[in-house]
Amino acid sequence: GAVVSQHPSWVICKSGTSVKIECRSLDFQATTMFWYRQFPKQSLMLMATSNEGSKATYEQGVEKDKFLINHASLTLSTLTVTSAHPEDSSFYICSARELTRGRDTQYFGPGTRLTVL
Amino acid sequence: AQSVTQLDSHVSVSEGTPVLLRCNYSSSYSPSLFWYVQHPNKGLQLLLKYTSAATLVKGINGFEAEFKKSETSFHLTKPSAHMSDAAEYFCVVSDPPSGTYKYIFGTGTRLKVLA
Repeated sequence: GAVVSQHPSWVICKSGTSVKIECRSLDFQATTMFWYRQFPKQSLMLMATSNEGSKATYEQGVEKDKFLINHASLTLSTLTVTSAHPEDSSFYICSARELTRGRDTQYFGPGTRLTVL
Repeated sequence: AQSVTQLDSHVSVSEGTPVLLRCNYSSSYSPSLFWYVQHPNKGLQLLLKYTSAATLVKGINGFEAEFKKSETSFHLTKPSAHMSDAAEYFCVVSDPPSGTYKYIFGTGTRLKVLA
């Protein structure tokens, strides 16, 4: 089946530093990837849609200058949390949309837990 | 705008008894609907998917869901719960009219399985 990986799986950083999270589709090409944020015991909230070779589309209320998204290839999207603060601590999940073999389904990565001290 | 409502935030069942997790959707179009499961500190796993083919959809681990247009429902069922089914379940609708096919998540239902 389709596999999506994320790296790192968890990260702890100091306030004011930047953190980069990678999302990779391992066995399919994904022109579209999505980034979600999940607070403890809550649902997933879509942050942005990442399209290969173009600028990301951010959901209302998401600061695009704080959450930088780059989708440089058909198998890799990155999310950089710039100047992180404790309120950015969360579980970040990516997904990749597979359109091949007649399917149109999102496959999710295992998530990255970010803790900002 | 499309949306999904998960009617129960928590469901408790005894092991070996049936599971019913309820989901209602709102859509002006023929929707694509999904059920995902999330175990603690893990990513989301696709259980099953409805995309306008058969209204009764069979998924993994014995789960199935029935699309009922007249009731705008897509409830998830399993005949016999297992301890390993304890997890968070999300009902999801795809939003094709937006052109991005982004997913809209329900608020989730936490399933507890009692021994």
